[in-house]
Amino acid sequence: NAGVMQNPRHLVRRRGQEARLRCSPMKGHSHVYWYRQLPEEGLKFMVYLQKENIIDESGMPKERFSAEFPKEGPSILRIQQVVRGDSAAYFCASSPTGPTSVGPYEQYFGPGTRLTVT
Amino acid sequence: GQNIDQPTEMTATEGAIVQINCTYQTSGFNGLFWYQQHAGEAPTFLSYNVLDGLEEKGRFSSFLSRSKGYSYLLLKELQMKDSASYLCAVRDDNTDKLIFGTGTRLQVFP
Repeated sequence: NAGVMQNPRHLVRRRGQEARLRCSPMKGHSHVYWYRQLPEEGLKFMVYLQKENIIDESGMPKERFSAEFPKEGPSILRIQQVVRGDSAAYFCASSPTGPTSVGPYEQYFGPGTRLTVT
Repeated sequence: GQNIDQPTEMTATEGAIVQINCTYQTSGFNGLFWYQQHAGEAPTFLSYNVLDGLEEKGRFSSFLSRSKGYSYLLLKELQMKDSASYLCAVRDDNTDKLIFGTGTRLQVFP
């Protein structure tokens, strides 16, 4: 069973360009979470998605950032007109169940995409 | 508000025991997780507590006191490979998002 996959692993963009980050959850997982980790800081929640639905985007900047998880294909985190402050590691995590369940079901993290804005 | 506090750095000696503390104040609670993260890698799951008490898993144990908003991760028989960041995270009870502390960077010396 392949783990959470993210690509690209490293992405370099110039200021003003668009960055598109992809995440394929573990097989059988329909809940996807995106987190951002700035250098020397903790992980910060950005957005929680289920197939075709954004459930919680309270951690996502209002402008330039968007996320989707279509019926078919990976989840995409899109950053338009990138700025230097967007340079960070972006982690995707997936879980098999959602808030209606209880139990020690952890979120499984992908290897991350390291975005560098020059 | 949401606040999770951990020490920034700790050091210990190979073979020793180390305890990493975490205190939290969050609007919701549906379990507390500890993750390990080596530099440049993804966080990997270590432990989960939702009820008060101690959960033991090999060399790693985690404790939770919900009334005190307090948890700790105990690492025994430290090995060099345990040098990593240890992340404390509280799961929100509405959307399951994880709220992370800034992590504790542990260095194990020979």
